[in-house]
Amino acid sequence: AQTVTQSQPEMSVQEAETVTLSCTYDTSESNYYLFWYKQPPSRQMILVIRQEAYKQQNATENRFSVNFQKAAKSFSLKISDSQLGDTAMYFCATAQGGSEKLVFGKGTKLTVNP
Amino acid sequence: DARVTQTPRDKVTEMGQEVTMRCQPILGHNTVFWYRQTMMQGLELLAYFRNRAPLDDSGMPKDRFSAEMPDATLATLKIQPSEPRDSAVYFCASGLRQGEAFFGQGTRLTVV
Repeated sequence: AQTVTQSQPEMSVQEAETVTLSCTYDTSESNYYLFWYKQPPSRQMILVIRQEAYKQQNATENRFSVNFQKAAKSFSLKISDSQLGDTAMYFCATAQGGSEKLVFGKGTKLTVNP
Repeated sequence: DARVTQTPRDKVTEMGQEVTMRCQPILGHNTVFWYRQTMMQGLELLAYFRNRAPLDDSGMPKDRFSAEMPDATLATLKIQPSEPRDSAVYFCASGLRQGEAFFGQGTRLTVV
């Protein structure tokens, strides 16, 4: 069974600074996908970034990038130039190849301070 | 602007009543999910469909929950009878690429 662990229940960062959210996972599959989702107070779950495990290159979406360490089963999210609108819960998730089911971590609550 | 639409946004009901939640997936998406979010358990998959056929509903209490897709534009999740422990936010999501899911805004269900 797949598991996802987010060891930081809460984090805070000053506006314009950089913050990194940690995620480790466990899977026996060789083909899988990794995701970061953002859930602001509005409750909407928003896909931030997607990584295919067979790709060595780290995914990037504007100010969001990941550090994917396959051997260590680590998938951290870096947010550069943090903005007040980045304040949200962030969930790390994985899906194994051949199945669309997402397994989520417990989340990290990020607060961006002015 | 393509999005997953869920109704109602909030629902308060009495224990024992039937609850129906509806979802309109993004047009063209062939996979539809139902997730439940609680403080204690986090986000859990209840069921999912591909091309309207149920693929996995192992996360769903079978005695009171049912999920259906009457057509490609509508997915429903029913709880009958509802219990206080069913209080949660229920998300519908749809997708096309492997493992990708676009979520609706959720239905916050409160059973009193």
